[in-house]
Amino acid sequence: GDSVTQTKGPVTLSEGTSLTVNCSYETKQYPTLFWYVQYPGEGPQLLFKVPKANEKGSNRGFEATYDKGTTSFHLQKASVQESDSAVYYCVLGEGTGGYKVVFGSGTRLL
Amino acid sequence: ETAVFQTPNYHVTQVGNEVSFNCKQTLGHDTMYWYKQDSKKLLKIMFSYNNKQLIVNETVPRRFSPQSSDKAHLNLRIKSVEPEDSAVYLCASSYRVRQNTLYFGAGTRLSVL
Repeated sequence: GDSVTQTKGPVTLSEGTSLTVNCSYETKQYPTLFWYVQYPGEGPQLLFKVPKANEKGSNRGFEATYDKGTTSFHLQKASVQESDSAVYYCVLGEGTGGYKVVFGSGTRLL
Repeated sequence: ETAVFQTPNYHVTQVGNEVSFNCKQTLGHDTMYWYKQDSKKLLKIMFSYNNKQLIVNETVPRRFSPQSSDKAHLNLRIKSVEPEDSAVYLCASSYRVRQNTLYFGAGTRLSVL
């Protein structure tokens, strides 16, 4: 079945250092890939999504490229801030109805 | 801007009691969901409704039952709670199309003593 595997957390970084959260996926379909972020006390919210292979998504200084060849969608940020402390989810969206999504296990950034 | 509203924010109860959680969305979406988030932040889908019709019903204990009065409301009832039901229950909504984005509420934290 479809699956998503991402970096196990927590990831602890100093302000100003770079971040990479690895994400790999498995599917036989043509998915849209998402990164969601969950801040303390809130529900997850969309960070950005990329519907097409080999394209890049970005928001708030975060970016990820949908790499169909390596089935990866790694999240990167050049310089993290304290306000980036949250849980990050890599998500696979698929299915003809559009309602079926697969969440990664989440990576907590401290 | 919050558009998916969940009540209560927090609920403490004892084993064997019945609890109900409410969810309302004001986005005009046609699909709503309940997710369970455990202490390790793992998210697991429980149910999904499209226009008041159940479309996803993952393997959850029978004591859990969703209730939808219209496409803007999806409640969750748990009959006779168990200690393992302690978690955060997240409601979400979306349009039922490919590449849809989920919009989540802030969650209801359930503690079962």
